[in-house]
Amino acid sequence: GQNIDQPTEMTATEGAIVQINCTYQTSGFNGLFWYQQHAGEAPTFLSYNVLDGLEEKGRFSSFLSRSKGYSYLLLKELQMKDSASYLCAVASGGSYIPTFGRGTSLIVHP
Amino acid sequence: ETGVTQTPRHLVMGMTNKKSLKCEQHLGHNAMYWYKQSAKKPLELMFVYNFKEQTENNSVPSRFSPECPNSSHLFLHLHTLQPEDSALYLCASSQDDPYSFRGNTIYFGEGSWLTVV
Repeated sequence: GQNIDQPTEMTATEGAIVQINCTYQTSGFNGLFWYQQHAGEAPTFLSYNVLDGLEEKGRFSSFLSRSKGYSYLLLKELQMKDSASYLCAVASGGSYIPTFGRGTSLIVHP
Repeated sequence: ETGVTQTPRHLVMGMTNKKSLKCEQHLGHNAMYWYKQSAKKPLELMFVYNFKEQTENNSVPSRFSPECPNSSHLFLHLHTLQPEDSALYLCASSQDDPYSFRGNTIYFGEGSWLTVV
């Protein structure tokens, strides 16, 4: 199975930059996903990394280092609406179905 | 609107009741999933259906019984549940075969909140 670890909660200020880290241990790595979930809503897909490096998508970027079993999600120019839970998930073994970590609750304050 | 619709959004049931959760996806996807989300715990994969065939059952108790009549519909039949089964049940779908296609993105519905009393 996988062991996925991410901080439980983070706080940041509107307009700032925040980095949410995720570490994992797995065999047969098939990619890492980040999802965003607002309270009471469906998780929504943010990014997928399978190769090392940084993928940028607007204000959000995701980084992967397979040798270190490490990823981060970088959120720039934070807005109040970015307050949500951010879920790190890893696919491995014989499938591309993600297994999720516990999520990081991000609170953005003015 | 995520393209994956779940009903009911909220359900309260007694331990001796039988009820069903329904999921419909309007995305033309070929794989469907049930996940369970409990407080303080990660999203847990319960069942996977790939082209209407069940391909995974992650040691889910038999009081949860899935049904996939076609690629667009997925049900979760509930019978003699326990209070600890109270949780958010999320349905999801993906376009491609989740055992063959890299970057298989999963799209979630908004979930059904289940309370067992």
